[in-house]
Amino acid sequence: QKEVEQDPGPLSVPEGAIVSLNCTYSNSAFQYFMWYRQYSRKGPELLMYTYSSGNKEDGRFTAQVDKSSKYISLFIRDSQPSDSATYLCGRAAGNKLTFGGGTRVLVKP
Amino acid sequence: KAGVTQTPRYLIKTRGQQVTLSCSPISGHRSVSWYQQTPGQGLQFLFEYFSETQRNKGNFPGRFSGRQFSNSRSEMNVSTLELGDSALYLCASSLRGTSGSSGELFFGEGSRLTVL
Repeated sequence: QKEVEQDPGPLSVPEGAIVSLNCTYSNSAFQYFMWYRQYSRKGPELLMYTYSSGNKEDGRFTAQVDKSSKYISLFIRDSQPSDSATYLCGRAAGNKLTFGGGTRVLVKP
Repeated sequence: KAGVTQTPRYLIKTRGQQVTLSCSPISGHRSVSWYQQTPGQGLQFLFEYFSETQRNKGNFPGRFSGRQFSNSRSEMNVSTLELGDSALYLCASSLRGTSGSSGELFFGEGSRLTVL
């Protein structure tokens, strides 16, 4: 079993819809969980990170961690075509990040 | 502020050769990490350097090595290349060393290696 599991998609949604992304993880020892966004032929960029359990909101983005069910979620409200990218969830042990395989998201105008 | 710079961006090598990739971190960042990204295995941690010392290492064979210089610039080397080493190699820098980090990394655009 991989440490972080993620549905590869693609996930196709119309512009303005809510994008819902989920990951599961197997090791409860870690405290920091994050979401990175990667555009084609670019390096990943950090969207959000959360510490332990709970929600974190930043503009159109909301990240949730449920440690009891070992679930990491990202919600994108009012999705835009520019949100089309691959989204990577992960957990951090310092600067050593373990990522899921990524979910490709397509937002259609 | 300039981002993480990686060179070369693209390169083609043949099996058995060796390759050196270079990374310049964001000014002021002392931690540099390297990751390998492939369609099959995804994004995997190779190693991390902080203050010229390797602080952490992923599960890769000894053919993969790296170093960091006093100006925080880093290089990674892959010797005796295999077809399976074809990948995007990403460098990431961080302000904090691993013990004080929340995992906030700044990635470069990567060096795409093709092994023929």
